[in-house]
Amino acid sequence: GESVGLHLPTLSVQEGDNSIINCAYSNSASDYFIWYKQESGKGPQFIIDIRSNMDKRQGQRVTVLLNKTVKHLSLQIAATQPGDSAVYFCAEKFGGATNKLIFGTGTLLAVQP
Amino acid sequence: EPEVTQTPSHQVTQMGQEVILRCVPISNHLYFYWYRQILGQKVEFLVSFYNNEISEKSEIFDDQFSVERPDGSNFTLKIRSTKLEDSAMYFCASSTGTSADTQYFGPGTRLTVL
Repeated sequence: GESVGLHLPTLSVQEGDNSIINCAYSNSASDYFIWYKQESGKGPQFIIDIRSNMDKRQGQRVTVLLNKTVKHLSLQIAATQPGDSAVYFCAEKFGGATNKLIFGTGTLLAVQP
Repeated sequence: EPEVTQTPSHQVTQMGQEVILRCVPISNHLYFYWYRQILGQKVEFLVSFYNNEISEKSEIFDDQFSVERPDGSNFTLKIRSTKLEDSAMYFCASSTGTSADTQYFGPGTRLTVL
C-alpha cells in the first residue's frame, strides 16, 4: 500500500559527543555513495562522498565508512554541535550508465546543548 | 561559492492547472536533475537531463511532466495538469558530468496543489 509518511529513526546526542549515523544500502552493484544533510525547509546539502573502491574517507569533522560486504554505510561526526541538528540521508548511485541517486530513509540527528 | 537556485520558493495552484518550476544550475555544470520529496518521505528521482535531452527518467515522470533548458542558464520542470498528489518539495540538482560527480541541490520549490 501507499506509505503515509516515514517515521524517521532519531539519534539524540549531547553537544560535543561523537555521532554515528548508519545506512543500509540496497544494491551491491552501487559504485558511489553520498551523505547529505537536510535542514528543515531546505534542500539536501552535500557533506561527503565515497566511491566503492574505498572503505573510508575523511572530511572536516566527518568520516564516512563503507562496508561493501554487508552493504553498510556510516557517517561519523566528531564533536557534534547544535548546528549539526538535521536529517541525514545516505544516497547511492547504481553502477553503470545511470546518474540517478537513490536516497535512503534518513535519520534525524538531535543535538542537545 | 556557486549554488543552485530555484524559483519560486512556494507555488500554490489549483488542481488541473499547469505549473512551471524554475532552476538555475551551477554555471559550469552539464547534468541537471529534478527530484521531489513528498512531505515526510524520501527524496525521489524524477529525471536527468544532459546535452539538451532527457538521459533518464523515473516512473513518476509521466506524460504530465516535461523539462526544458530554454536558454543557457535556466532549467525548468513543467507539470501540465497538476494533481493533488503532485504536492511536494521539488528539488533541482546539477553536477559537472561523469557518473560519480557530486550532485548539488537547490533549496527547493514547495508545490501545493489545492
